[in-house]
Amino acid sequence: GAVVSQHPSRVICKSGTSVKIECRSLDFQATTMFWYRQFPKQSLMLMATSNEGSKATYEQGVEKDKFLINHASLTLSTLTVTSAHPEDSSFYICSARDSGQHEQFFGPGTRLTVL
Amino acid sequence: AQTVTQSQPEMSVQEAETVTLSCTYDTSESDYYLFWYKQPPSRQMILVIRQEAYKQQNATENRFSVNFQKAAKSFSLKISDSQLGDAAMYFCAYKIDDNDMRFGAGTRLTVKP
Repeated sequence: GAVVSQHPSRVICKSGTSVKIECRSLDFQATTMFWYRQFPKQSLMLMATSNEGSKATYEQGVEKDKFLINHASLTLSTLTVTSAHPEDSSFYICSARDSGQHEQFFGPGTRLTVL
Repeated sequence: AQTVTQSQPEMSVQEAETVTLSCTYDTSESDYYLFWYKQPPSRQMILVIRQEAYKQQNATENRFSVNFQKAAKSFSLKISDSQLGDAAMYFCAYKIDDNDMRFGAGTRLTVKP
């Protein structure tokens, strides 16, 4: 299957700082990328969907000014957690899909810890 | 809204035995896709099996097979000859066309040696 990478795999930051997480599709063009959040022992909750070159569509309850998503190319999407707080600590997973395909390929996730 | 329900938070199976994980979903659509994903301790989501709703034949991938009952909106996963490496969280997921994927709450599978 196709490969999706995420960087960094783990990040620890101080409260009030911003953190950027990168999601890359390595061997296909990701026309659509999805960002999920997963709390311990819970399921994946969709945060937002982004299409290359367009503004992201955020799920209800997700603050777009806090979770900035950029999908500027067909192989890269970034999620920036602005002014992070301890409650933002979570596991963030991206997935990517090529146009016309139904399968989503998942990145390995990023564990964010905000002190 | 589409919802996916996994009623078994935890399941346990003896190595080499068979286990079935249940999943039901709610939808008014007639054409959609269903998936089972495995999430081991590494947290990497791994596709186990997928089923297109328009196909009546149940999908099979080696030791993994599904029982897709469209009228009942049921999509269970059967794991045969369970192996220690099958231990993980299993998520059932539903998707329509280009829309995003919706996940169930997950079932934690333990495999006993």
